[in-house]
Amino acid sequence: NAGVTQTPKFRILKIGQSMTLQCTQDMNHNYMYWYRQDPGMGLKLIYYSVGAGITDKGEVPNGYNVSRSTTEDFPLRLELAAPSQTSVYFCASSYSFGGSYEQYFGPGTRLTVT
Amino acid sequence: KNEVEQSPQNLTAQEGEFITINCSYSVGISALHWLQQHPGGGIVSLFMLSSGKKKHGRLIATINIQEKHSSLHITASHPRDSAVYICAARFPDNTDKLIFGTGTRLQVFP
Repeated sequence: NAGVTQTPKFRILKIGQSMTLQCTQDMNHNYMYWYRQDPGMGLKLIYYSVGAGITDKGEVPNGYNVSRSTTEDFPLRLELAAPSQTSVYFCASSYSFGGSYEQYFGPGTRLTVT
Repeated sequence: KNEVEQSPQNLTAQEGEFITINCSYSVGISALHWLQQHPGGGIVSLFMLSSGKKKHGRLIATINIQEKHSSLHITASHPRDSAVYICAARFPDNTDKLIFGTGTRLQVFP
């Protein structure tokens, strides 16, 4: 199993551009998450999904959108990129929801908005 | 407010030393996770516990529910243990999400 994969690994965006961060898992996990990690801060949940077709907001959803059309894929869309969205983004998945089950993380995407 | 705090923020050690990283949380939790973030950025889950103690190799995690405190111990530390160690807690407020600490950066020198 490849586990959780993310693309791209690095990206530089100009202010106002858009992009999609891709996330795929091959463990047949129903639950998937997007986090951002800022320097000196803990991981913050952006959006999560409990299954195909079902998504919900986390702590910091503003400026992002998600979709979940299949169990495997959970892309994160940035519209009108802003410097405040410069961060490292991690996708994760788990067998069930939240804190009672181990979460498996992707390798991360380092995004810079200038 | 559900909060997770870690100490110390940074830790340096000589190879072979016994390491302790601490995590405290504001209210009762359902589960606590310890994660390791490698220098290259990847995050792996080390432990998930809700009571007592767990051991895996040279790593030991303990939790004291009454004191709202957990510790991660590394015995016989090695330079390859150099990483950021993160604790995360699930609070029983029906949101079922993890709240993460800011991490402890550990450097082990030969």
